[in-house]
Order: sequence, then C-alpha cells, then structure tokens
Amino acid sequence: GEDVEQSLFLSVREGDSSVINCTYTDSSSTYLYWYKQEPGAGLQLLTYIFSNMDMKQDQRLTVLLNKKDKHLSLRIADTQTGDSAIYFCAERKGSYIPTFGRGTSLIVHP
Amino acid sequence: GAVVSQHPSWVICKSGTSVKIECRSLDFQATTMFWYRQFPKQSLMLMATSNEGSKATYEQGVEKDKFLINHASLTLSTLTVTSAHPEDSSFYICSARNRGADTQYFGPGTRLTVL
Repeated sequence: GEDVEQSLFLSVREGDSSVINCTYTDSSSTYLYWYKQEPGAGLQLLTYIFSNMDMKQDQRLTVLLNKKDKHLSLRIADTQTGDSAIYFCAERKGSYIPTFGRGTSLIVHP
Repeated sequence: GAVVSQHPSWVICKSGTSVKIECRSLDFQATTMFWYRQFPKQSLMLMATSNEGSKATYEQGVEKDKFLINHASLTLSTLTVTSAHPEDSSFYICSARNRGADTQYFGPGTRLTVL
C-alpha cells in the first residue's frame, strides 16, 4: 500500500464540522503536515504537528495525532464554502523529503 | 509568511520547443528547492530536489536531460522542459525550504500545455 493514505472525497454541509483522516506507515515520522490546494493553485500550508504532540489547535482547525495507530486527522469547525479544496496530508522523517497522500477533495454544500 | 512565486502561471507551447519555468523565494533564502508534477486528481509526484550551487537530484524515472533544473542562487530555481511533447502537459509546482526549517512552502504552480 501507499505510505500515506487518505480517502479521496468528503462532502459536508455548510456550518457542520469536517474531519479529514490520514494514515501513514512510517512510525519514525517526525513531522506531519496538512496542506490545502484550491483549484488551479499551489499548496498552502495549513498547519503541522510534531510527532511528540497529540493535538494542535489553530482557530477553526484542530489536528489530532494518534502515533500508536499512525493516524492523523484534521477537523475544520463551522465549515464554509471557501473551505472547499483538496487537502493533502504529508509526513516527513528528519531531514528527508515529505511524502504526500493523494489528497481528499472536500466539498461543502449549502 | 514565506512566499514562493512561479512564472509563468500558465504556458502553451508547440511540440518540440523548450519551456522554462521559474521558481522564486521572495522573502527567504531557499537552500533547497523541490520540483513536483501533478496529474489531474492525483497527488504530487516529486521530480527532483535541488540544493543551491549543486546539481539536482532526480527521482527514479525522471529524465534529467529532459527536465533541466538549475538552482543558481538562494532565491531562484528554474525548470526547463526540453523538446516538450503533449505528454509533458501537466501542472508543475515548486516548493522551497530554508536550511534547517521544518516546512517547505509551495509556489502557485505552472500549467503547461503542449500542443
């Protein structure tokens, strides 16, 4: 299987919370990232978490890390139509180059 | 925050011609720059990693003579697609990272269409 896996699609209603999940295989990963890509644009770093942390919150974004299960999630509270995009999970070990998942397309409908 | 620009944002060229894409770090020194290719509905495929002042390291399966990478300064890297063919049409994204930094910052991407 792939090193970083994500489900491909998530559809939510505006105002609800979105939870995007990611699993990775390398237990020695030191950094885990969430990037957002809007149509026709590059990747925007949303947030990242060190492997020795369990949770990180930044305004509407909450990142949870379960290192035992190698599971990372991104929760977006009060999801808005402007949040519609592709969200990429990535993991990095030390100075190595990050490995990206295939991205989760988040669709927010009224 | 760290800003990375790419130029051009989109380009259309004829088959057989060469196209140069620039990647610049605007407010930091990028000791390492990365070039990715993204196919529709797919993830990023790392093509090569370049460190300032040295030759790029290409990923397996990426032709270094076809995709020429130059990282001549701490703020500029270029990717030249030589003798482009329609199958080279894609979205090319660069990213940049400073030495010892935790994260890399991405450019907005360049859409290449080869006719």
